Amino acid sequence: AQTVTQSQPEMSVQEAETVTLSCTYDTSESDYYLFWYKQPPSRQMILVIRQEAYKQQNATENRFSVNFQKAAKSFSLKISDSQLGDAAMYFCAYPSQGAQKLVFGQGTRLTINP
Amino acid sequence: GAVVSQHPSWVICKSGTSVKIECRSLDFQATTMFWYRQFPKQSLMLMATSNEGSKATYEQGVEKDKFLINHASLTLSTLTVTSAHPEDSSFYICSVHQGQGNYGYTFGSGTRLTVV
Repeated sequence: AQTVTQSQPEMSVQEAETVTLSCTYDTSESDYYLFWYKQPPSRQMILVIRQEAYKQQNATENRFSVNFQKAAKSFSLKISDSQLGDAAMYFCAYPSQGAQKLVFGQGTRLTINP
Repeated sequence: GAVVSQHPSWVICKSGTSVKIECRSLDFQATTMFWYRQFPKQSLMLMATSNEGSKATYEQGVEKDKFLINHASLTLSTLTVTSAHPEDSSFYICSVHQGQGNYGYTFGSGTRLTVV
């Protein structure tokens, strides 16, 4: 069974600094997508960034970027110039079983210190 | 991406009654929707996959008779918690899968269910 693991239950960072959230996954598929979602206190799930496994280039969305290591099955999220609004739960996710069911990691609670 | 509307956003019900939660895909014809459950400070756990025009596929350990799912149209899936008990109190979230074009998943805003 495909699994997604986030080993950091909590992280904190000073405002304007950079933080990296870790995620590893297990799959036997060769072509797939990976996602990072943000869940603020409102509990609305918000897509942060998406990576296509067949693309070697790491995805980037403004201050958010990923370090995708396919061989190591690692998919970390880097947040640059952290802002107070970045405080949230962050979930790494992988669509299993033919790119349908989205499986989530345990989540990392990110705190931004002013 | 798709726009997903979920209602109600919160509901309080008495133990033994049933509660229906709606998930609507407003601008996308969704053949597949997903229902998740989230306990406080925990991750999202997939409960079932809702398939338009056919029976839902439930994850292991999820009671089919407790959590009834109906996906009668391409824009609406409903989750009915039957004979609710306090242990069913949780946050329920639906999701729509877009398999083509802008591939991804869009989530409803969630429903907080409290059973008293």
